Amino acid sequence: DQQVKQNSPSLSVQEGRISILNCDYTNSMFDYFLWYKKYPAEGPTFLISISSIKDKNEDGRFTVFLNKSAKHLSLHIVPSQPGDSAVYFCAASYYSGGGADGLTFGKGTHLIIQP
Amino acid sequence: DSGVTQTPKHLITATGQRVTLRCSPRSGDLSVYWYQQSLDQGLQFLIQYYNGEERAKGNILERFSAQQFPDLHSELNLSSLELGDSALYFCASSDGTGRMDTQYFGPGTRLTVL
Repeated sequence: DQQVKQNSPSLSVQEGRISILNCDYTNSMFDYFLWYKKYPAEGPTFLISISSIKDKNEDGRFTVFLNKSAKHLSLHIVPSQPGDSAVYFCAASYYSGGGADGLTFGKGTHLIIQP
Repeated sequence: DSGVTQTPKHLITATGQRVTLRCSPRSGDLSVYWYQQSLDQGLQFLIQYYNGEERAKGNILERFSAQQFPDLHSELNLSSLELGDSALYFCASSDGTGRMDTQYFGPGTRLTVL
C-alpha cells in the first residue's frame, strides 16, 4: 500500500513559468515532509522540507505547501529553469521513538522544462 | 557531490549468489541508511544504522543484512540473489543529531542479477 503518492508520472512546463508538483499521503502519523530531486545516474539530492507545524516553507525559487487536513503537499518552482528538469520525489517520515528514521518515498514525477 | 561514496558502481551477478555493497558516509555523519529503488516499487527504505548499532528496519528481506563498522562505513550483504533483487541500491547518511536532519544520498550501486 503506497503511503506517499505522486499521481503525475511526468509534467512538462515552459521555461520561466511556474512548476507545481503534487504529493498525497495516507498515513496521518507523518509529520515531516521533504522533496528530493534526482538526475539520471546520480543519487537523490535534498531540496526542501517542511514540518507539520507549518503550512509553508520557502527557499529561493522553491516553496513547499502543506495542507494537513487534505493530506496533501505541493512543491512550487518559480520561475522554472532548464536545470530543473529532473525527477522529483516527495518523502515523509514520522517519529517512531528512535530518532531520524527511514523515509517513505513517492514514485516520483519527471519534470521537463521546455525552452 | 554529496560526500557519500558507494562501491561498486555496477555489479552483475547470477541468481543464488551473494554480493556486498559498500558505503562511506559523509565525514562526521553517524547515521547510515540503505534504500532500494526498483522499477515497480520506487525508493524503499531497507535499514538504518547509527554509530554502529541498528536503529530502524524497513522492508528488508531476511536474505539481506547490513552492518556499520567502527570507522562508520557500512556494508549491505545480499544473499541467495533472485532476479527480482535487480535494482539500484542507495546509501544515505545524516549527522544523526535529530529526527529532522537531512539525509544525503550517494550515487548508488546498480545490481543486475542474471
